[in-house]
Parts: sequence; structure tokens; C-alpha cells
Amino acid sequence: AQKITQTQPGMFVQEKEAVTLDCTYDTSDPSYGLFWYKQPSSGEMIFLIYQGSYDQQNATEGRYSLNFQKARKSANLVISASQLGDSAMYFCAMRDGAGNTGKLIFGQGTTLQVKP
Amino acid sequence: KAGVTQTPRYLIKTRGQQVTLSCSPISGHRSVSWYQQTPGQGLQFLFEYFSETQRNKGNFPGRFSGRQFSNSRSEMNVSTLELGDSALYLCASSDGLAGSSKGAQYFGPGTRLLVL
Repeated sequence: AQKITQTQPGMFVQEKEAVTLDCTYDTSDPSYGLFWYKQPSSGEMIFLIYQGSYDQQNATEGRYSLNFQKARKSANLVISASQLGDSAMYFCAMRDGAGNTGKLIFGQGTTLQVKP
Repeated sequence: KAGVTQTPRYLIKTRGQQVTLSCSPISGHRSVSWYQQTPGQGLQFLFEYFSETQRNKGNFPGRFSGRQFSNSRSEMNVSTLELGDSALYLCASSDGLAGSSKGAQYFGPGTRLLVL
């Protein structure tokens, strides 16, 4: 069965420093997609970054990058130069192979607090 | 492009009542997925509709149902409400394609349901 594990319930980071949020996944499907979402206290889920299982390079989107280690089944999110507005809950999610595009499996989330 | 909209944003109901939540996807998106978020269970997939057909279903009782209209707008209905149905209900839309970040789901602000 598919599973996403985020082992860090909460993390602190100093403003302007980089931070890594951990995510490991389990699936038997060779084709899958991995996503990271940010959820501020308002509740809305904001899409940050995507990594496909066949992508050769790690995904990057501005200050966000994904450290994808396929053999270790990990997809860690790296936020560079943290800002106060980065304080939020972060979710790692997985979508399995073609056909199940609308179903995401989410981890339990990591609460990130950025300190000034 | 306008984002995903959900109405109402807040709702208070009593046990035994039924409720209907509405979701309007991003223009051009044909897939709409629904999720329930609670502190105890996290984010759980309810169902997905694509071109007016239910394409995926999560492990929820039959009291939870949905539908999608020809304009891709979707509604979710919960009948015979229970206290445990209190949650944030999130709707997400995508273009329904499996490959690349084009298949990413974009979420609405959610409907907070409180069952008394």
C-alpha cells in the first residue's frame, strides 16, 4: 500500500537560513508523482513543487528544491533563505501511476516556524 | 486565472442533518477531488470526479457522496451528520493529466464544518 511518512512534527529555523523537511514514501508502482504543499493557518493548501518518478533531475521552484533520492525512497523539501512568511504546515504527498491522477496520499505534515 | 472557490466557508450543523458543499474549479480543469482534514486523521481522500464521472473513491461511508456538473463544478453531500464529520473539507482541481506538474492539484480555501 502507498504510504507517506513525515517524521518531523515540528521544526524551527532562523530567518534567512536554509531548512530541510523530510519525506519518505512507499509504493510498488514504478510510475508516481511526489508533491509538496504549504498550508498556512488560513487553511488553504498551496502547491509548491512536483517531482516525477522518472525525472532525472531534482525539481526546483524559486527558493524551493526537492532532494529526490529514488533508491532511498525519499523526497525531502529544501527551503533556502527562509522568510517569516514560510511559517506554516508543510505536507508531502504522492500520486500513484497513470489513471489515479486525482487521488493524493498525504503525510502527517511538518509545522515549520521561522524565527526572526 | 481565478483559483478554486468553495462555498460556504463556514458551516454549523447539528447531528442528523445533511449538508451540501460546493466547489468551482479553475477554468479548464476537468478533475475535482475532495479531501477531509481533521487533527486526528490528517488529510484523507474522499473522491474524485472527472468529466462528470466518479473516477476514484476513498474509504468513507456511503453518507458521503458527490457529483459533478457539465461545467465541472462539483458538490459534496454528507447525510445524517455525525460529530466526527466536523472537519475542514478541501476541494482541489487539476487538468486531470497524469504527467508532470500539469497534473498538480490546486486547492480551494476549504469549508470548515462543525457538527454539534
